[in-house]
Amino acid sequence: GAVVSQHPSRVICKSGTSVKIECRSLDFQATTMFWYRQFPKKSLMLMATSNEGSKATYEQGVEKDKFLINHASLTLSTLTVTSAHPEDSSFYICSVEKDEKLFFGSGTQLSVL
Amino acid sequence: AQSVTQLGSHVSVSEGALVLLRCNYSSSVPPYLFWYVQYPNQGLQLLLKYTTGATLVKGINGFEAEFKKSETSFHLTKPSAHMSDAAEYFCAVSQGGRRALTFGSGTRLQVQP
Repeated sequence: GAVVSQHPSRVICKSGTSVKIECRSLDFQATTMFWYRQFPKKSLMLMATSNEGSKATYEQGVEKDKFLINHASLTLSTLTVTSAHPEDSSFYICSVEKDEKLFFGSGTQLSVL
Repeated sequence: AQSVTQLGSHVSVSEGALVLLRCNYSSSVPPYLFWYVQYPNQGLQLLLKYTTGATLVKGINGFEAEFKKSETSFHLTKPSAHMSDAAEYFCAVSQGGRRALTFGSGTRLQVQP
């Protein structure tokens, strides 16, 4: 399999601040990573596909300027929630694909006060 | 477009009883179907997947699922529940070569002693 590390696991921030979430592929060079968001009692929704060395591909309805994705290396992708607001509070989870299987990080619970 | 419906957000069974978690999907093309499990404070782990071929798929921890095209279903079963099976289970679908997944809303399985 692939080992995916996501950090932090939980973050609380004030409204208006920016928060960065890291997703690392520890034992595999991932050219593509996926970012999902999960609302309480709802399914995971794909936000964007992160491509190493190029711009991320965002799903319809996801604000590019709000959710900045950087995939600068084959082992690290970051999601920055800019000017966070309470409605951005959610569970964010990343995944990498290896051998036609998806491996997921443990997720980040973001709470915006 | 594709979607996944998981019937029952909570399922409770007794230890040793049959586990049945329901999943129905819609897809405009032949789907790839997945079941993931999420234990508390952990990332999602792949239980099993169906791509092509045999419609009865066996996964880890004694779980299996059957792809029924006529019913657009991919229900997850296990003959005898164990306490360690208590977790959140997600059904997911992807369309052929599209690597990103569409998830159901999840079913929380409780196992009573």
